[in-house]
Amino acid sequence: GEDVEQSLFLSVREGDSSVINCTYTDSSSTYLYWYKQEPGAGLQLLTYIFSNMDMKQDQRLTVLLNKKDKHLSLRIADTQTGDSAIYFCAERTPGTYKYIFGTGTRLKVLA
Amino acid sequence: NAGVTQTPKFRILKIGQSMTLQCTQDMNHNYMYWYRQDPGMGLKLIYYSVGAGITDKGEVPNGYNVSRSTTEDFPLRLELAAPSQTSVYFCASSYPLQGRVETQYFGPGTRLLVL
Repeated sequence: GEDVEQSLFLSVREGDSSVINCTYTDSSSTYLYWYKQEPGAGLQLLTYIFSNMDMKQDQRLTVLLNKKDKHLSLRIADTQTGDSAIYFCAERTPGTYKYIFGTGTRLKVLA
Repeated sequence: NAGVTQTPKFRILKIGQSMTLQCTQDMNHNYMYWYRQDPGMGLKLIYYSVGAGITDKGEVPNGYNVSRSTTEDFPLRLELAAPSQTSVYFCASSYPLQGRVETQYFGPGTRLLVL
């Protein structure tokens, strides 16, 4: 069945790089997303990648996609305390209105 | 634009009570969604709507009802609250454009506690 899995927690030191991983199961998914949720707030879209791409870079964010292993990662360079949040990956199959969200990874940045 | 707004922010209900969670968007988006978020879990889709007058069930619709009489509003109704409905509820909207990536915009959430 459809499922998106993420590790629950990640702790890094300020200035280091963070890598948040996600695995998905629907091989027909075309759009894969990363969302950020700060405490008490809704989800905010960070970036997305098409399934025909291997990598996408957007300032401090780098998304890597391994279609063979159905593995998606989000790398945050020079992680700051303001990056502390929960990060969700999500997939969507074109032609459907259904997004499948992962469980979220709580990133804690230590000063 | 205010984006997606939700009221109330927080509510405590007794078992068997009913309430309506309000959601409004001012972006003229066709699509609107209701999700629930339980601790340690991803978002689960309750109901969605592709336009005024059209609604459909998501993954976890039992115990909920929705209506979409206008483009802007998409209220979620709980008729007989149960402890299993304790959760954080998020409303979202989007406007898919042909050939472009659809982006969902989320409201700040409503935290509901059923005792």
